[in-house]
Amino acid sequence: EVHLVESGGGLVKPGGSLRLSCAASGFTFTSYNMNWVRQAPGKGLEWVSSISTSGSHIYYADSLKGRFTISRDNTKNSLSLQMNSLRAEDTAVYYCTREPTVGDYLDFWGQGTLVTVSS
Amino acid sequence: QPVLTQPPSVSATPGQKVIISCSGSNSNIARNYVSWYQQFPGTAPKLLIYENNKRPSGIPDRFSGSKSGTSATLGITGLQTGDEADYYCGTWESSLSAGVFGGGTKLTVL
Repeated sequence: EVHLVESGGGLVKPGGSLRLSCAASGFTFTSYNMNWVRQAPGKGLEWVSSISTSGSHIYYADSLKGRFTISRDNTKNSLSLQMNSLRAEDTAVYYCTREPTVGDYLDFWGQGTLVTVSS
Repeated sequence: QPVLTQPPSVSATPGQKVIISCSGSNSNIARNYVSWYQQFPGTAPKLLIYENNKRPSGIPDRFSGSKSGTSATLGITGLQTGDEADYYCGTWESSLSAGVFGGGTKLTVL
């Protein structure tokens, strides 16, 4: 059974940093691209970033470039998102998602981890 | 503002059919596959339709998708109260090399 379990969320002050992690199991991690998607309270979905199977191709939402860094460790079946210079508008539930290499869709989502940026 | 445009809400009665639209442009929907996601309150989204019109295993054939030019639609027939949820379309924005979603549509089954 596929499992994506996010961790690392919490309360952080504006300007602070946080590192999210996603533990993947139940599938061949190296066969899938991985993405982060976020959802601010009461708002819609916002794509954050994606990373290819080997980590050689990385993409970010324009508004986040330079502050967020996605990475993966294929030896540990894990995905990470390093978030720096956090702002109040980064407050959201962050979802770890799986993307088949053929086709632009997200076929499995974790339960999400809440990041709250507030003083 | 979301790159893809969806109606904020739609409503219908049980047993009826509803169509949810998703409007984009030549650089996103026209050039790439569209997917649809269903989200119940307090839960993670779930893939409903991928590659414009394909259903993952376990998704009933009451759900269908189509694409034409710069727009896509999600159709739901035989509406059930359990279909009440938020629905999102998504695709790749080629001009930005980024994923994009619609703003979401809240379906109410009266």
